[in-house]
Amino acid sequence: DIQMTQSPSSLSAFVGDRVTITCRASQGISNYLAWFQQKPGKAPKSLIFGASNLQSGVPSKFSGSGSGTDFTLTIINLQPEDFATYYCQQYNSYPLTFGGGTKVEIK
Amino acid sequence: EVQLVESGGGLVQPGGSLRLSCAASGFDFSDYWMNWVRQVPGKGLVWVSGISSDGNNRKYADSVKGRFTISRDSAKNTLILQMNSLRADDTGVYFCATSTTFDSWGQGTLVTVSS
Repeated sequence: DIQMTQSPSSLSAFVGDRVTITCRASQGISNYLAWFQQKPGKAPKSLIFGASNLQSGVPSKFSGSGSGTDFTLTIINLQPEDFATYYCQQYNSYPLTFGGGTKVEIK
Repeated sequence: EVQLVESGGGLVQPGGSLRLSCAASGFDFSDYWMNWVRQVPGKGLVWVSGISSDGNNRKYADSVKGRFTISRDSAKNTLILQMNSLRADDTGVYFCATSTTFDSWGQGTLVTVSS
């Protein structure tokens, strides 16, 4: 199974900050990586697929990059509605696996 | 607008069974791979099972293989997860989601396995 490791597991940031979340795969997954945002009590929301492609309707403040084993999600100009937990997920091979999540909190 | 509505969750004793449904609308259900994902409240996401658009290809997490069966009814635009021999560690919110990139998600249905 491919293990997905996210770092950090949590971070605190100010409104207006830029944050970067890292996701590392235990083996190469090309660009078969997605990112999700989840708020408490809600379903996850798809942000990015194919490592860097924004889902329709997702603001350009979110961006993804990487290929192979190392990936990043960057959020610029952090706003109150961006405080949430973010997950990466690989869909290169079964079983599909998620990272452990990164909780982004207000400082 | 894509809508996915899960139902069928509840409290069940260990060893019992439940049948979850996911009613899909707003898109051509028969064109999409579909998935089930579990989440223990306060914890991370775990993929459980997936089924191809034509229903001929089914995938399962090792933890549920032999106990859970995924299926789909394209006439009713419904995804189904039959869960048998339930264990305490099957507890969680079960979400259905579209495609291998999990583009759209339902709101989830809570399954609690406890005596």
